[in-house]
Amino acid sequence: DAGITQSPRYKITETGRQVTLMCHQTWSHSYMFWYRQDLGHGLRLIYYSAAADITDKGEVPDGYVVSRSKTENFPLTLESATRSQTSVYFCAITSVGTDTQYFGPGTRLTVL
Amino acid sequence: GENVEQHPSTLSVQEGDSAVIKCTYSDSASNYFPWYKQELGKGPQLIIDIRSNVGEKKDQRIAVTLNKTAKHFSLHITETQPEDSAVYFCAASSRGSTLGRLYFGRGTQLTVWP
Repeated sequence: DAGITQSPRYKITETGRQVTLMCHQTWSHSYMFWYRQDLGHGLRLIYYSAAADITDKGEVPDGYVVSRSKTENFPLTLESATRSQTSVYFCAITSVGTDTQYFGPGTRLTVL
Repeated sequence: GENVEQHPSTLSVQEGDSAVIKCTYSDSASNYFPWYKQELGKGPQLIIDIRSNVGEKKDQRIAVTLNKTAKHFSLHITETQPEDSAVYFCAASSRGSTLGRLYFGRGTQLTVWP
């Protein structure tokens, strides 16, 4: 069990509002990733982080902000939500030095 | 960056038959190829993976084959059961890439009819 939790599991918000999705993991040393999953697109990488205070953009970073002040938390913020950001968001982690990536249960976000 | 193509997008089989899902990749530096199964309402779960120094790997009813020359790899499920019904994703990464970043195919919806 990789010990990944995501909160909230479901969220409905309105266009223009700020939303923060949280990812928490119990591995002290790990890389962390945020993906979005949309029908017909599979899983697309938004941002990733090698360690606390080290983050980088993935394939679709526009409209999102991340931070990693603590190694166990990796929040994803939508500063001004848009309808195109309606999606299922997954957090994933990989232990340093390994390839295997483990996924959290996901957050279903609806932007009205 | 890497580009992973996955086919077919949907696959229906009768219980007991075999199912094959194929993926191609573009970056010859890719050396790690995992397969994930995603059930409805859940996150993807790793079911099997293969590295570029191996041509085939088996785990009970599931097997993965890799052809480095042709840059393609396949998932084989034998004696399918209704509980195999799910979305399957292939992925590729290079150990030399940043953080072992995974590039995913678009997924295959497998339905196994009883």
